Amino acid sequence: AQSVTQPDIHITVSEGASLELRCNYSYGATPYLFWYVQSPGQGLQLLLKYFSGDTLVQGIKGFEAEFKRSQSSFNLRKPSVHWSDAAEYFCAVGRGDAGNMLTFGGGTRLMVKP
Amino acid sequence: GAVVSQHPSRVICKSGTSVKIECRSLDFQATTMFWYRQFPKQSLMLMATSNEGSKATYEQGVEKDKFLINHASLTLSTLTVTSAHPEDSSFYICSARSLARQGQTEAFFGQGTRLTVV
Repeated sequence: AQSVTQPDIHITVSEGASLELRCNYSYGATPYLFWYVQSPGQGLQLLLKYFSGDTLVQGIKGFEAEFKRSQSSFNLRKPSVHWSDAAEYFCAVGRGDAGNMLTFGGGTRLMVKP
Repeated sequence: GAVVSQHPSRVICKSGTSVKIECRSLDFQATTMFWYRQFPKQSLMLMATSNEGSKATYEQGVEKDKFLINHASLTLSTLTVTSAHPEDSSFYICSARSLARQGQTEAFFGQGTRLTVV
């Protein structure tokens, strides 16, 4: 069975600093991998996804993620964080149905210091 | 494009009553919809997958008689929580995907429904 681990429950960074959110997955086949962001009480917005090809994926809002098969990781990065990036971030692995049946990690809450 | 709307956004109901949550794809036909549940301070868990015109497929551990899913049209799926109890209080989110959109591999999420059972 697939699983996703986000080791960091909370992360606090200063505005303008770089960010890396960790994600490790367990899946038997080539994974569909996603990062979503959730603002309080809101639904989910897709930041980026990896299905195949280039292992460095560019997303919206200046985010990128790198798929490393050898490490079973799909870490999310941003070179300079903005206060509006404060939110909950979820990594997910997709199965079935073109990868749309998602198994989510526990989430990482990002706080941004001024 | 690709807007998914859920209604209501918040609902409070009495224990023992039933609650219906709607998930609509506003600008595309959703052949498949997915229902997730998110308990407070926890992650999202897939509950079931519904395909238009057929019975939903439930994930292991999800009671199909308690969480009734109907996907009667290409733009609407409903989740009915029957005989709700306080432990059913949760954030329910749907996502919708259309095979008809060429190259479409993304399911779009609704804004979620906060259910509180008192």
